Amino acid sequence: GENVEQHPSTLSVQEGDSAVIKCTYSDSASNYFPWYKQELGKRPQLIIDIRSNVGEKKDQRIAVTLNKTAKHFSLHITETQPEDSAVYFCAASPGPGYALNFGKGTSLLVTP
Amino acid sequence: GAVVSQHPSWVICKSGTSVKIECRSLDFQATTMFWYRQFPKQSLMLMATSNEGSKATYEQGVEKDKFLINHASLTLSTLTVTSAHPEDSSFYICSAPPVAFFGQGTRLTVV
Repeated sequence: GENVEQHPSTLSVQEGDSAVIKCTYSDSASNYFPWYKQELGKRPQLIIDIRSNVGEKKDQRIAVTLNKTAKHFSLHITETQPEDSAVYFCAASPGPGYALNFGKGTSLLVTP
Repeated sequence: GAVVSQHPSWVICKSGTSVKIECRSLDFQATTMFWYRQFPKQSLMLMATSNEGSKATYEQGVEKDKFLINHASLTLSTLTVTSAHPEDSSFYICSAPPVAFFGQGTRLTVV
């Protein structure tokens, strides 16, 4: 089955700096790669996703890149703010209608 | 659109009792729903796939007799944790394709 590795497990940055979280996957059948932000005690919220026919996608301060050949994808957050502090999960699946395989999560702390 | 609603948001029950969790698709029909479990400070793990009108499929290591899933309509799937024990305390959360959104989640505490 699919195995998703996520690094780093914790990340601390100063407000205004950029944060990068990286994930790798093993199953070449995976074509859908969403990223979730989870605040304490709340459900994961989809923040951005990318499909395998696209190499990069951007939404304001958030961007995701995908290298399908190397089987890795990354989340980039620019101009970080304290409210970006949360746990971020990457995931992979054959498509949006399929069950997701999650990475272990990255705890991001943005200090003022 | 594409809202998934889960109920209850939290529940505390005594060891040995059963708890039912509901997952509803509010504005679309879902022939399939996914149930995940998240232990504290861990990632989400798929427990089972709920299929409308047929048996659920369970992931390896998940006891189907303990976690009963019923998907009787195109908008409702239920997960019943039977004979709950403290080790079942977790955050249970559902999602329904074609969207990758989650319900609010249910925090189960078994005492």
